[in-house]
Amino acid sequence: AAGVIQSPRHLIKEKRETATLKCYPIPRHDTVYWYQQGPGQDPQFLISFYEKMQSDKGSIPDRFSAQQFSDYHSELNMSSLELGDSALYFCASSLDRGNEQFFGPGTRLTVL
Amino acid sequence: QKEVEQDPGPLSVPEGAIVSLNCTYSNSAFQYFMWYRQYSRKGPELLMYTYSSGNKEDGRFTAQVDKSSKYISLFIRDSQPSDSATYLCAICWMDSSYKLIFGSGTRLLVRP
Repeated sequence: AAGVIQSPRHLIKEKRETATLKCYPIPRHDTVYWYQQGPGQDPQFLISFYEKMQSDKGSIPDRFSAQQFSDYHSELNMSSLELGDSALYFCASSLDRGNEQFFGPGTRLTVL
Repeated sequence: QKEVEQDPGPLSVPEGAIVSLNCTYSNSAFQYFMWYRQYSRKGPELLMYTYSSGNKEDGRFTAQVDKSSKYISLFIRDSQPSDSATYLCAICWMDSSYKLIFGSGTRLLVRP
């Protein structure tokens, strides 16, 4: 069965650089969620989209933005990167809201 | 106090043992409950999804929800070394975000 695809899988950036993370949800899933997981921590909600509209924002810095496109893929844009942004970034998708969320393999971002 | 509490472990059991993993939550409005398995540096893998009090079984896994006590459990029968991972309970927050709120995760080690 098709799963959530994330790219790139690994990303190394310098401080103050920008990064773009991409997420391709499971086919026919219309809802996308982004989570950030720091070392030894549980995933924390960043932002979600339903039918290409932003649903809600969690603890997402103003330096971050995201959108969902017409084909339902989503991109997380991160600017002015800081050392503390180093983490695993997961995308999850679901068929409508409130249903099972399936996670992608994650993008490991390292900021030097 | 976190909205979802989970014993971080580690929990070490011999192969073939029955494993019991537990979470408590504080908000009685929570209605959807999930269990994920996460191997090191991988994406969370959905094991169980339930929304009603009682038991739900899938193979070696049984999820149990007691809404009156705000207590959820995951039981693993005939545990295998391949079950060694971190287990995360997650509860869906039914507002506009439908975000998941995770417990801190329990590290499980199944000894051969």
